[in-house]
Amino acid sequence: DIQMTQSPASLSASLGETVTIECRASEDIYSNLAWYQQKPGNSPQLLIYDANSLADGVPSRFSGSGSGTQYSLKINSLQSEDVASYFCQQYNNYPDTFGAGTKLELK
Amino acid sequence: QVQLKETGPDLVQLTQTLSITCTVSGFSLTTYNVHWVRQPPGKGLEWMGAMWNGGGTDYNSAFKSRLSISRDTSKSQVFLKMNSLQTDDTAKYFCARHMGYFDYWGQGVMVTVSS
Repeated sequence: DIQMTQSPASLSASLGETVTIECRASEDIYSNLAWYQQKPGNSPQLLIYDANSLADGVPSRFSGSGSGTQYSLKINSLQSEDVASYFCQQYNNYPDTFGAGTKLELK
Repeated sequence: QVQLKETGPDLVQLTQTLSITCTVSGFSLTTYNVHWVRQPPGKGLEWMGAMWNGGGTDYNSAFKSRLSISRDTSKSQVFLKMNSLQTDDTAKYFCARHMGYFDYWGQGVMVTVSS
């Protein structure tokens, strides 16, 4: 199985700040990577797919980049509603695997 | 609009069998794939298995032969059944539409395995 190493595990940032979360795959996943946001008590919501494509309805302050084994999610101008956990998922190889998650809090 | 909804028990006894139903609307099970993902309290997401649009299934080997996924296309339902439940099977169980990535998720059902 492909291992997804996500960092950092937790992050504290101020309103308006830019935040970056990273995922490293144990092998090349050819941009078959998605990012999800999950607020407490809710199901995950798709933010980014194919490494850099913004899902419908997702604010443009969210962006994804990367290739090969290294990927990142950037949140520009952090808003209070962005407080959540974030997960990456690779879907290049069976089975799909997820990163362990990043918990984003306000400073 | 696309919706998925899981229904199932909130409490299952140790070693017993868990059955959860995922009822979908807004799309056809013969066109789209539906997968199951679970999340233990405070932890990450674990892919469990797949119901492909053609009716085939795949399972995470971590569940060995404990897990079974089936469907009733006439009712737009996908079923998860897992036997020999242990306390570490306590988790929220989600069904989600799979496009490679998961574009729509159900709200999940929290299942506690009680001894």
